Amino acid sequence: NAGVTQTPKFQVLKTGQSMTLQCAQDMNHEYMSWYRQDPGMGLRLIHYSVGAGITDQGEVPNGYNVSRSTTEDFPLRLLSAAPSQTSVYFCASSYSMFSASGNTIYFGEGSWLTVV
Amino acid sequence: AQSVTQLDSHVSVSEGTPVLLRCNYSSSYSPSLFWYVQHPNKGLQLLLKYTSAATLVKGINGFEAEFKKSETSFHLTKPSAHMSDAAEYFCVVSEGFGSARQLTFGSGTQLTVLP
Repeated sequence: NAGVTQTPKFQVLKTGQSMTLQCAQDMNHEYMSWYRQDPGMGLRLIHYSVGAGITDQGEVPNGYNVSRSTTEDFPLRLLSAAPSQTSVYFCASSYSMFSASGNTIYFGEGSWLTVV
Repeated sequence: AQSVTQLDSHVSVSEGTPVLLRCNYSSSYSPSLFWYVQHPNKGLQLLLKYTSAATLVKGINGFEAEFKKSETSFHLTKPSAHMSDAAEYFCVVSEGFGSARQLTFGSGTQLTVLP
């Protein structure tokens, strides 16, 4: 049981390049999400998914695309990288969104992205 | 709308002394509240969570937090700090149901433990 796995851990991009951050979970979780972490701002939600084939925007979706073709995978695509997208990205998952009981959210170890 | 304020961006304590990390929240409904810890270059690990059961919540590694609705606070405490506690701590509030349920993160408190 690997939990939430993110790749790559570190990446340097040039402005205008595109790339995909991979996220996979092996816990059969319905809910998956992507956050970015910037100094002094905590984590901000980029996109989330409540199940295969269903995605929605979070607080800061511009410049990012997602898809959810399987329960396990939730890749995040940067379409045309900009220096403002330099950040640490975290993928997260939990069993269900449809519960008010505070399901534990599990985080990957992060992807450090630098756009130059 | 929900929000979270962590009142201290940095806290420094000596090893063996108590730890207090402060968190205030605002929420329109009965929220769920969490504390997560992040060690350098690592992901976030759940310390504890409050989900409308007991107001005093015990977590891992000797941490606990008390939900005080009248004060809208959820402060994290530990009786005796250990060097391994040095990390960044995030207070998180969750409210809403179904697809509207979202997490809001505080801006984090960096805990330094001095020998």
